[in-house]
Amino acid sequence: EVHLVESGGGLIQPGGSLRLSCAASGFTVSSLYMSWVRQTPGKGLEWVSVLYSGGSTYYADSVRGRFTMSRDNSKNTVFLQMNSLRVEDTAVYYCARDMYTAMDVWGQGTTVTVSS
Amino acid sequence: DIQMTQSPSSVSASVGDRVTITCRASQGISTWLAWYQQKPGKAPQLLIFDASSLQTGVPSRFSGSGSGTDFTLTISSLQPEDFATYYCQQAHSFPRTFGQGTKLEIK
Repeated sequence: EVHLVESGGGLIQPGGSLRLSCAASGFTVSSLYMSWVRQTPGKGLEWVSVLYSGGSTYYADSVRGRFTMSRDNSKNTVFLQMNSLRVEDTAVYYCARDMYTAMDVWGQGTTVTVSS
Repeated sequence: DIQMTQSPSSVSASVGDRVTITCRASQGISTWLAWYQQKPGKAPQLLIFDASSLQTGVPSRFSGSGSGTDFTLTISSLQPEDFATYYCQQAHSFPRTFGQGTKLEIK
C-alpha cells in the first residue's frame, strides 16, 4: 500500500529552523516527483516545492532561498529544511506524490507554528 | 504564475442534488487540471486529473470537464459524505497553483 508519513513539525520562534520529514512506503521517492504543499489555518492550499526524480528542485517565490528540499534514497524519505522562519510560514505542511498530472497520494500533514 | 479562480466560494445543497463547481485559469492550460476534495482535519484527496479522468476508487457521480481556461466539476447526485471543500489545481507548470476552494454545505 502506498503511504506517506510526515514528521518534524512544532512550535518555533521567528528566525528559527525546522526540518520536516516525509517517509514513503509502497513506492520509491527517487523515481517520481515529490512535492510539499501547505495550508494556513482556515485558508486554502499553497504549493511550496517540488523535487524532481533527477534531483532538481523548484520553489514557490514565498520560500525560495529559505527552504530546501532533499531526499535520502536509502531511507525512502524526503525532507524540507526550513530556515529563517516567519510568522506567515505557520501552516499544516503536507508532502505529496506528484505524478505531474496531479498529486495522487498525500500524507496526513504536520503542523508548523512560528510564534514568539 | 497561473491564477486559478473558483466559483462559487460556497454552495448549499441537499442530498440528491446535482452540483457544479467552476474553475477558471488565467491562461490556457490545455487539460492540465486536477480536482481535490478535502474534509476538515484531513489531507486533500485526488478526485479528477487531466480535467476529466476519474482517479481510481472515486465514485462515478463525480465528473470533470473543460479545457483551455474553463473547467467544471460536477457531482451528479450528492451523498452525505460529499459535503466538503473542493479545490482545483493547475498542473500545466510550476509553481503549481490552486483555486481558493469551494465549500459545499448541507442545505
